[in-house]
Amino acid sequence: AQKITQTQPGMFVQEKEAVTLDCTYDTSDQSYGLFWYKQPSSGEMIFLIYQGSYDEQNATEGRYSLNFQKARKSANLVISASQLGDSAMYFCAMREGTTDSWGKLQFGAGTQVVVTP
Amino acid sequence: DGGITQSPKYLFRKEGQNVTLSCEQNLNHDAMYWYRQDPGQGLRLIYYSQIVNDFQKGDIAEGYSVSREKKESFPLTVTSAQKNPTAFYLCASSLRGMNTEAFFGQGTRLTVV
Repeated sequence: AQKITQTQPGMFVQEKEAVTLDCTYDTSDQSYGLFWYKQPSSGEMIFLIYQGSYDEQNATEGRYSLNFQKARKSANLVISASQLGDSAMYFCAMREGTTDSWGKLQFGAGTQVVVTP
Repeated sequence: DGGITQSPKYLFRKEGQNVTLSCEQNLNHDAMYWYRQDPGQGLRLIYYSQIVNDFQKGDIAEGYSVSREKKESFPLTVTSAQKNPTAFYLCASSLRGMNTEAFFGQGTRLTVV
């Protein structure tokens, strides 16, 4: 069964606007971590932001913030003030477990973002 | 500089041949992973290893094999049993633990003709 679901295959966003990328996940574990990565056309994977299941506050890293709604099993990425360089594929990922016992890192299908001038 | 090195960047092979993709890291990470990415698709986990001399199958392990004899190295062999091996292959590594980010190599684009 799909553990990570990203329902938006592609999105257009205007420069300087904010964009929200959806991610829902499926787990029965109480302990897990959620990650967002960016993949430009060059193919490299760039880590953006992390949210732990026990973190009470939403994670933020510069222009990236994570809207974490645990009860809904949702971890949406918000990119504020979009820039042309934000055009890329964005992946949500999850790892279940604890610090001492942890599992595999699994990815969603991704959302292609195109930022227009 | 610390990082993950995948080689080669592009690889061509004839159908029916086994091919080994290299992945080396000098980050002192315990965990290493192999993913396959098809055009416009997400990353699918092939194999992962949490410690030397141990590895587990991911979601699409059939037709692939790995070894983890050294902490720094996690080579992936694409065997002739893999029905559709042409893809982009990404190797990653991370520290132990649930909350550690994975660092990725630059990827190897394998084309089987």
